[in-house]
Amino acid sequence: DAKTTQPTSMDCAEGRAANLPCNHSTISGNEYVYWYRQIHSQGPQYIIHGLKNNETNEMASLIITEDRKSSTLILPHATLRDTAVYYCIVRNAGNNRKLIWGLGTSLAVNP
Amino acid sequence: NAGVMQNPRHLVRRRGQEARLRCSPMKGHSHVYWYRQLPEEGLKFMVYLQKENIIDESGMPKERFSAEFPKEGPSILRIQQVVRGDSAAYFCASSRGTDRETQYFGPGTRLLVL
Repeated sequence: DAKTTQPTSMDCAEGRAANLPCNHSTISGNEYVYWYRQIHSQGPQYIIHGLKNNETNEMASLIITEDRKSSTLILPHATLRDTAVYYCIVRNAGNNRKLIWGLGTSLAVNP
Repeated sequence: NAGVMQNPRHLVRRRGQEARLRCSPMKGHSHVYWYRQLPEEGLKFMVYLQKENIIDESGMPKERFSAEFPKEGPSILRIQQVVRGDSAAYFCASSRGTDRETQYFGPGTRLLVL
């Protein structure tokens, strides 16, 4: 079973920031938080990952709480092309490499 | 740098036939993962391979499914005697193989069993 909990769906206005929450209250010390998205049944697209520090790249920012029990993915200026299902995944840093997927959050960016 | 490539993108088979799905990892990647996605569901891990070795096949059905990643050439996911329940999108991902390395996904193969 997935170790994360996400809202089923969210809406965001085009041009505004999209903040997608993820709960991972059972995360352990050596587990990373990964975010992927899937646009209309295409292959999943890697977005960002982090361990305990906040991370930023050209696509998004990842804010992880100090206790690491939750995180938020931020798309700073959402566009219509950001409409997708967003998956938050907790992954062990060791040899167990498989990604365990939940149902994600379906984000609709509206004009 | 080409991404993960999968072919065919769409595959139609009749019940009882065989399906072969191919995956070419990104350049420099030696680890391959296969996932299956049923309609309206999330992805499910099937198998993890390194060159010539199966590392984790805990998600593979016990019968009819097999996977390989030979020294040369793409990784192959083979489904024998397909049934309608095998209809799904099959995604391949690859990574360099270090402990924390990110998996990058291909576009998937959509299998339809008639």
